[in-house]
Amino acid sequence: EAQVTQNPRYLITVTGKKLTVTCSQNMNHEYMSWYRQDPGLGLRQIYYSMNVEVTDKGDVPEGYKVSRKEKRNFPLILESPSPNQTSLYFCASIPGGGSTDTQYFGPGTRLTVL
Amino acid sequence: DAKTTQPTSMDCAEGRAANLPCNHSTISGNEYVYWYRQIHSQGPQYIIHGLKNNETNEMASLIITEDRKSSTLILPHATLRDTAVYYCIVQAYYSGSRLTFGEGTQLTVNP
Repeated sequence: EAQVTQNPRYLITVTGKKLTVTCSQNMNHEYMSWYRQDPGLGLRQIYYSMNVEVTDKGDVPEGYKVSRKEKRNFPLILESPSPNQTSLYFCASIPGGGSTDTQYFGPGTRLTVL
Repeated sequence: DAKTTQPTSMDCAEGRAANLPCNHSTISGNEYVYWYRQIHSQGPQYIIHGLKNNETNEMASLIITEDRKSSTLILPHATLRDTAVYYCIVQAYYSGSRLTFGEGTQLTVNP
């Protein structure tokens, strides 16, 4: 089944404890992206990647890192999480190759930073 | 600045058509209009997209004005399961482009 998976789905952590949220897609998509969703603010793009080893900042990249060492995986790294990073996070992928590509979203990761 | 503007909320009676408007007055010639929806806190789901012609699929119809500055998503026979937040976004060729969703429209379908 074609899908985008995220792990963990739920995470409660403490300020300053490094964490990684994994994202994987099995559709051989070129483009991958991370969003965070907060009440009243909609979906905001954190980072995106157009292909392996190519990443770029979205609208709210501060406090986050990403890597794209292989096509299927796009982990989101919080080196020193803070309470303002408590949010619902979504990973998405796009096939690439043309301007009519639709996004496929993962199920979301709900992160709480105490 | 937001690339699209949508009403915050709308209501619709079950079985009736739901018409969701979106303004995108600064849309570029190479940008498509996409619609997604998000049910509760699930991952957003693609609905439909278009460039300048009206489009229809099994889920909805998309009407884009001739000047492309606005569009309307039509759910012809809304059901309770269509209750969701609907996002209108403009998206160019993915290479190098940020994607901004905005806050969307909360559609509530009432029995």
